[in-house]
Order: sequence, then C-alpha cells, then structure tokens
Amino acid sequence: DGGITQSPKYLFRKEGQNVTLSCEQNLNHDAMYWYRQDPGQGLRLIYYSQIVNDFQKGDIAEGYSVSREKKESFPLTVTSAQKNPTAFYLCASRGQPNTGELFFGEGSRLTVL
Amino acid sequence: QKEVEQNSGPLSVPEGAIASLNCTYSDRGSQSFFWYRQYSGKSPELIMFIYSNGDKEDGRFTAQLNKASQYVSLLIRDSQPSDSATYLCAVNKGGGNKLTFGTGTQLKVEL
Repeated sequence: DGGITQSPKYLFRKEGQNVTLSCEQNLNHDAMYWYRQDPGQGLRLIYYSQIVNDFQKGDIAEGYSVSREKKESFPLTVTSAQKNPTAFYLCASRGQPNTGELFFGEGSRLTVL
Repeated sequence: QKEVEQNSGPLSVPEGAIASLNCTYSDRGSQSFFWYRQYSGKSPELIMFIYSNGDKEDGRFTAQLNKASQYVSLLIRDSQPSDSATYLCAVNKGGGNKLTFGTGTQLKVEL
C-alpha cells in the first residue's frame, strides 16, 4: 500500500539530546513537509522540501534540521537548541506542487523528560 | 491578523443537524483551500478541497468558497457522533508550495 511511514510513534528524550524522526514515503511525491502540533493548536510548518537535495525553512525552523538525500526520505532532527520540543510531529507529502492535498503520516509524539 | 483564522469552538450540534464550520484567510492570492478532519491523537485526513468560487458537494459535506470575502466554509449535513473531531482549514497561499493551517474548530455532535 502507498503511504507515509513515520517512526517512532512515541519517543522520550532527555534534555540536551538530539533525536531524529524518520519519515518515508512510497507515493513518488516530490514535495515533503514537517509540521509540529501542540495541544489545542493547529499545524505549524517546520521545514519543507520540493525536490531531492533541496529544502526550505518553514515558520518555526529554529532548533530543527532536515536532509533530503533520497526522494523517499525526509528525516527531521530535533536538536538540543530547540527550547520546547515536546509536541506531536507530522510528516506529509504532496503530489501536485501548488494545488494538491497533503498526505500525512501517523505522527511521532516526542516527550522531553 | 492570523493568516488563517478559525473559531476554536467547541461547536456543539445535535445529531442529524447541519454543522457549519467557518474559516477566513488573509492572502488574497490564495489559490486552493482544504478541509481536514483530525480525531484526537491522530493525523489529519482530507475531507474536501475547493479551488473555485461557489459550492462543492461530496456526500454529506459541502465546501463553500467566497474569494471576494476571503471566506471558506464547510457544511456537514445530517451530523453523526462520528463527525465529532477537530476540523482544520488549510490554505495554499498564492504562488507558493506551502499549506498554512488554522488552529482548528472542535465539533461535538451530541446524541
């Protein structure tokens, strides 16, 4: 089945540690996105990539990093510089650049202890 | 002014009634508009999309777009308890490849 796979679903981290969230898609989509969602809030864009080896900062990129070495993969690293990393992280892909819908993975819930 | 604004709710409607969810956006160049449903703890799923002024119907759902007023709405007819969720409005700003989301409206359909 085509879709987006995020892992892990749940992750606990100590303060000061970097963590990497995985996102893999087999939809053959060029564009991929990372959003963050806090309780009772909408989705805020962290980073997005429209093509392999290229990515752009979203609205809240500070403390995060990404790479896009393969079309299928768009991992997100939450660094120790991110002041409030506890959140629900959603990866998405998009088939048509300016009009298409976003397809979401199941999300990764990160908790900093 | 937020780029995409929604009333956070909760909006409570009785079972069988029409639920009306509203969204306004600030960028007049916005081209495409999406409604996503999100159950608690789950990822968003697409309900409707609309690109042109007017109404678009899909089953019990109708999306309405008025670009002059920068307003998009979602009507849910014959509301069911399973429709209880948060509904997110998303807008593709003009010329861009990013979707900007509102904060969502929580809908509660009561028996």
